[in-house]
Amino acid sequence: DQQVKQNSPSLSVQEGRISILNCDYTNSMFDYFLWYKKYPAEGPTFLISISSIKDKNEDGRFTVFLNKSAKHLSLHIVPSQPGDSAVYFCAAKGRGNAGNNRKLIWGLGTSLGVNP
Amino acid sequence: DAGVTQSPTHLIKTRGQQVTLRCSPKSGHDTVSWYQQALGQGPQFIFQYYEEEERQRGNFPDRFSGHQFPNYSSELNVNALLLGDSALYLCASSLWVTREFFGPGTRLTVL
Repeated sequence: DQQVKQNSPSLSVQEGRISILNCDYTNSMFDYFLWYKKYPAEGPTFLISISSIKDKNEDGRFTVFLNKSAKHLSLHIVPSQPGDSAVYFCAAKGRGNAGNNRKLIWGLGTSLGVNP
Repeated sequence: DAGVTQSPTHLIKTRGQQVTLRCSPKSGHDTVSWYQQALGQGPQFIFQYYEEEERQRGNFPDRFSGHQFPNYSSELNVNALLLGDSALYLCASSLWVTREFFGPGTRLTVL
């Protein structure tokens, strides 16, 4: 049972355009969401996060939007650069740090290719 | 400030053998999580250690065990290796599990 779903295995965009990566979740107890970026043969690196009390968080070229009613979040990259080509993972956790909320639940990832 | 470090980088074992992977967390972090990432998959949570105890475990058999030391470093042990254990093993450290920092991973190949 995949609680965090990234339904697009891959995405290709032109340099300078917007990249939009989507993530859906099924567990209404999730209240903290993160995006990680992963290059081949490296561990994931943290990109941006959002708490359920917000609907938008921005950091430079990266913006994450959260729609709680739809249980959907998206990562926007503007403008996209060739160096952004990587696999992007969406992850979620529940409130607090007790029990199951101590671990992140991961999507399967979306491979983004930015063409020069 | 050193980030999360893992050793070894690569490892080749044969079926039935045992393996130990090591992880040193980022300075100031007290929680270590281990993940298995197979090709084309997202990281799968194995277990998490905090205060030298296993606090949370994913859906992995008892062949997978671990340990956390007083200096917060951690080991992952896998016994009776199977071909399907071939994967990238990632260690992540955190403080309060809000943002995990990952090491480069150990690539395990089981022949």
